Amino acid sequence: DTGVSQNPRHKITKRGQNVTFRCDPISEHNRLYWYRQTLGQGPEFLTYFQNEAQLEKSRLLSDRFSAERPKGSFSTLEIQRTEQGDSAMYLCASSPGGVTGERYTFGSGTRLTVV
Amino acid sequence: DQQVKQNSPSLSVQEGRISILNCDYTNSMFDYFLWYKKYPAEGPTFLISISSIKDKNEDGRFTVFLNKSAKHLSLHIVPSQPGDSAVYFCAASPAGGTSYGKLTFGQGTILTVHP
Repeated sequence: DTGVSQNPRHKITKRGQNVTFRCDPISEHNRLYWYRQTLGQGPEFLTYFQNEAQLEKSRLLSDRFSAERPKGSFSTLEIQRTEQGDSAMYLCASSPGGVTGERYTFGSGTRLTVV
Repeated sequence: DQQVKQNSPSLSVQEGRISILNCDYTNSMFDYFLWYKKYPAEGPTFLISISSIKDKNEDGRFTVFLNKSAKHLSLHIVPSQPGDSAVYFCAASPAGGTSYGKLTFGQGTILTVHP
């Protein structure tokens, strides 16, 4: 297992377009998280899944954002009608849950630039 | 509202000396605290953690101290090495409930260790 994989690494899109990011977690991890990081800030929680169930969504996640984790494996994060304020690094992390559930393994992120 | 704060954006230390990174939090529900390290173009990686039932946890050159009454934690790196140069994020997690495992991050501190 090579860790958490995120694709694409970089995405440049025009304002108003839709984008989709993919995250492949560590296979035995049942928890998967999406975070967003902007310049000079720490990662901000967006949403997380326990297996295929989406258990919590941040109020940062507007109606234009949707995440899925079909069959509890990989996850996708879609942003519809992108805005310049969506430009950020989108980080995916997975964890085994349990007593060390907070010890995430992060992917390298997808950097989104909306022009 | 910034529930986890790292008030020092940057820290510069000479190789071999001690690095002390500080973090303050406001949410009394936080029960578990972690430090992550991030190199450029990579996702954050887990470094060390501490539960609220302890006041110190040590792992090699890294020690985390927790002062619950002051809602303050710190990371000590002794001795500091040039390879420790990175961004360090403090993070906190509540105990139990559906938010278990969800992390709130500070803004990060850029550590530079000079040879």
